[in-house]
Amino acid sequence: GQQLNQSPQSMFIQEGEDVSMNCTSSSIFNTWLWYKQDPGEGPVLLIALYKAGELTSNGRLTAQFGITRKDSFLNISASIPSDVGIYFCAALTGNQFYFGTGTSLTVIP
Amino acid sequence: GAVVSQHPSRVICKSGTSVKIECRSLDFQATTMFWYRQFPKQSLMLMATSNEGSKATYEQGVEKDKFLINHASLTLSTLTVTSAHPEDSSFYICSARDLGLAVDGIFGPGTRLTVL
Repeated sequence: GQQLNQSPQSMFIQEGEDVSMNCTSSSIFNTWLWYKQDPGEGPVLLIALYKAGELTSNGRLTAQFGITRKDSFLNISASIPSDVGIYFCAALTGNQFYFGTGTSLTVIP
Repeated sequence: GAVVSQHPSRVICKSGTSVKIECRSLDFQATTMFWYRQFPKQSLMLMATSNEGSKATYEQGVEKDKFLINHASLTLSTLTVTSAHPEDSSFYICSARDLGLAVDGIFGPGTRLTVL
């Protein structure tokens, strides 16, 4: 079952604003991943983090692997309409792979 | 980059029939494949983990006799929903990893199953 708490559950923002979402867990993980899922499609990997404290960017997206290995955040800067979708965090250790509950992002033009 | 495909993308079947869903890693060898189901507006729920050549490990509450998983090769895993019922209607998604190449968490596009 899931062990990741993701917040916020949903966000409604104006185009151009920055977005921040995070995931926390009571367990330690070796890898944190962030995905975006559009309706009717599989999740697409945005950023993968493999080391505690690691900060990684992918265009306007920035994600960090928490130093305690129990959390991670994702920031989206200068949001645009195509950022709309559901964002999931995921964490894995060994062969255990868990998903967050998702953050639904709506960008208002 | 690493790509995972699923077939079919959508299937409609009658109650009581069995449906097979294929998951393939196209340009890497998947040492492990994961199967998820997702209900509308919910997160992905892990059903089972399969390693090539061995039996799948099912999550608690997932009936292994109903959801048969076969990972016969390093590039193919199949999920068979046996004696499907309307409550099995869902979005089924697989993902694959290749530890040797540090390829992780690549998902297929999903299969929409509707049981009438």
